[in-house]
Amino acid sequence: GAVVSQHPSWVICKSGTSVKIECRSLDFQATTMFWYRQFPKQSLMLMATSNEGSKATYEQGVEKDKFLINHASLTLSTLTVTSAHPEDSSFYICSASPSGRAEAFFGQGTRLTVV
Amino acid sequence: QKEVEQDPGPLSVPEGAIVSLNCTYSNSAFQYFMWYRQYSRKGPELLMYTYSSGNKEDGRFTAQVDKSSKYISLFIRDSQPSDSATYLCAMSLYGGATNKLIFGTGTLLAVQP
Repeated sequence: GAVVSQHPSWVICKSGTSVKIECRSLDFQATTMFWYRQFPKQSLMLMATSNEGSKATYEQGVEKDKFLINHASLTLSTLTVTSAHPEDSSFYICSASPSGRAEAFFGQGTRLTVV
Repeated sequence: QKEVEQDPGPLSVPEGAIVSLNCTYSNSAFQYFMWYRQYSRKGPELLMYTYSSGNKEDGRFTAQVDKSSKYISLFIRDSQPSDSATYLCAMSLYGGATNKLIFGTGTLLAVQP
């Protein structure tokens, strides 16, 4: 149990376009999901907390208009990188936890390359 | 000072060795402790979860938490080349699905055949 799935695994897009990344909890409901960004050989950097039915909470320094988060159902959160630029190229990962559990379960990650 | 400190390595060991990975933390209020394994270009995979102090064993893996020293460890016995990955410690103040995890920087482990 506790499977989190991300899609796509990798995506290449042109500068100025928008890209949507999906995060799904497959066997549990998640009122909260977390979105991370990871640079090569670095740890996870929390970007935002996605809350079902309400606005996401962004970490300091993360542009909310650049990284749009929508958590429309108890099993799906989406991260949209708007007007992408090469500096947005990174590895994006989501996580979620079943109710009452402290440990987080991660998606496979999405490698975004902006050209 | 970071809340969670972890030696980034790299740590290189021969196959069959016992590996010791460690993290120290500054906030004595942390209660929930986790170890994740992350292969290159993959999401982190939960290895071990411990609440409060004590030891927990699962196969070749043993997690230890010493809250008095604010120190946690992961031991890997009979290490295999397939154990080569980055190991991340993580901890949180509270249980429950809405609580943020604080991560260490990760230790890169290479097990040489």
